[in-house]
Amino acid sequence: DTAVSQTPKYLVTQMGNDKSIKCEQNLGHDTMYWYKQDSKKFLKIMFSYNNKELIINETVPNRFSPKSPDKAHLNLHINSLELGDSAVYFCASRGLSAIYFGEGSWLTVV
Amino acid sequence: AQSVTQLDSQVPVFEEAPVELRCNYSSSVSVYLFWYVQYPNQGLQLLLKYLSGSTLVKSINGFEAEFNKSQTSFHLRKPSVHISDTAEYFCAVTRRGNEKLTFGTGTRLTIIP
Repeated sequence: DTAVSQTPKYLVTQMGNDKSIKCEQNLGHDTMYWYKQDSKKFLKIMFSYNNKELIINETVPNRFSPKSPDKAHLNLHINSLELGDSAVYFCASRGLSAIYFGEGSWLTVV
Repeated sequence: AQSVTQLDSQVPVFEEAPVELRCNYSSSVSVYLFWYVQYPNQGLQLLLKYLSGSTLVKSINGFEAEFNKSQTSFHLRKPSVHISDTAEYFCAVTRRGNEKLTFGTGTRLTIIP
């Protein structure tokens, strides 16, 4: 029943590894996002997709590559993880009057 | 460009006391305004929103916010807080026709028993 679901919720990995976070929404929305929340709780948009097409890319390193196989899914792949990538990553979906967020994925790079 | 300022990073309040969390925005065009709440170790939940119409909007758990165009503010209030209101509160703004939601830096509300 979860509207925006993302997996995994917790991820601990070593520097240099490659990891993916998956996101799915069952709301029928066309637009999805990835946001990053840093250690100071600051939330910043990373990417936005509309119906599988990239529409916002906010100066994110090339190591981050979003992929949208269909409009209900927006996955985030991260190559060569760095310590500074440790954060909470939120997937979101845009409806007519609001943006709805998933539960977050806590990524820790060691 | 749009921006949001939450002046208070932390607000401690005694249980059953009233609280106001301040939010000011900057935008040259019409905006939509939101408050999101993040309980400890949880995701972001939409608390309330202003799109148009009545400037006073309310949530189901007793919070309300008032859109003040002249002061470019959207402060969040609750007349009597509970321990369960302990959380981080984020104000956010988006422009009409814009896909991007811009967040403030958040206010940590701590309820003192």
